[in-house]
Amino acid sequence: GQQVMQIPQYQHVQEGEDFTTYCNSSTTLSNIQWYKQRPGGHPVFLIQLVKSGEVKKQKRLTFQFGEAKKNSSLHITATQTTDVGTYFCAGPPDDKIIFGKGTRLHILP
Amino acid sequence: DGGITQSPKYLFRKEGQNVTLSCEQNLNHDAMYWYRQDPGQGLRLIYYSQIVNDFQKGDIAEGYSVSREKKESFPLTVTSAQKNPTAFYLCATQRKGAYQETQYFGPGTRLLVL
Repeated sequence: GQQVMQIPQYQHVQEGEDFTTYCNSSTTLSNIQWYKQRPGGHPVFLIQLVKSGEVKKQKRLTFQFGEAKKNSSLHITATQTTDVGTYFCAGPPDDKIIFGKGTRLHILP
Repeated sequence: DGGITQSPKYLFRKEGQNVTLSCEQNLNHDAMYWYRQDPGQGLRLIYYSQIVNDFQKGDIAEGYSVSREKKESFPLTVTSAQKNPTAFYLCATQRKGAYQETQYFGPGTRLLVL
């Protein structure tokens, strides 16, 4: 079946360093979504990418959708303590979203 | 989020006991989902429902049951057949549209077996 793989599983960065998480799908996706889950909280929608090669920015976060629509990335510039959490990518098959296992970001002060 | 409530926030279950987790939404979304999350892990789909009176098994449905008698409600029962039920349970809703819509999550219920 369709799979959505995320790497790395964990990432520790010093505050102020950049961070990137990658998402790869075994099949072409019509669109891809990114969610953030703070420690102890629930996933919250960040953004959706639809077009091949699309790039979207939210302040220090940059999201990219690959040309083949099989991979995506989330890049955070100059991380802050508020960025701590787990970032999930999610891709849609026919009637249910498949979530990657997430990348847990830990910020070292 | 604001339109999805899950109760209780924490739930303790004794061995051999069935428990039911509540999920209610006022977003008028057609689809509802139940996920299980274990510490440090991703989201695994238990059951989902696209319409009232219909639901489908997800990837880990064994030991769980659901009902969808009303659009607003999608309760999940964790039965005694589920041998390792301790986890964080998340309910989500989704509006169906031309593109896959985003999912909105409730605050979750943490289940602990005593």
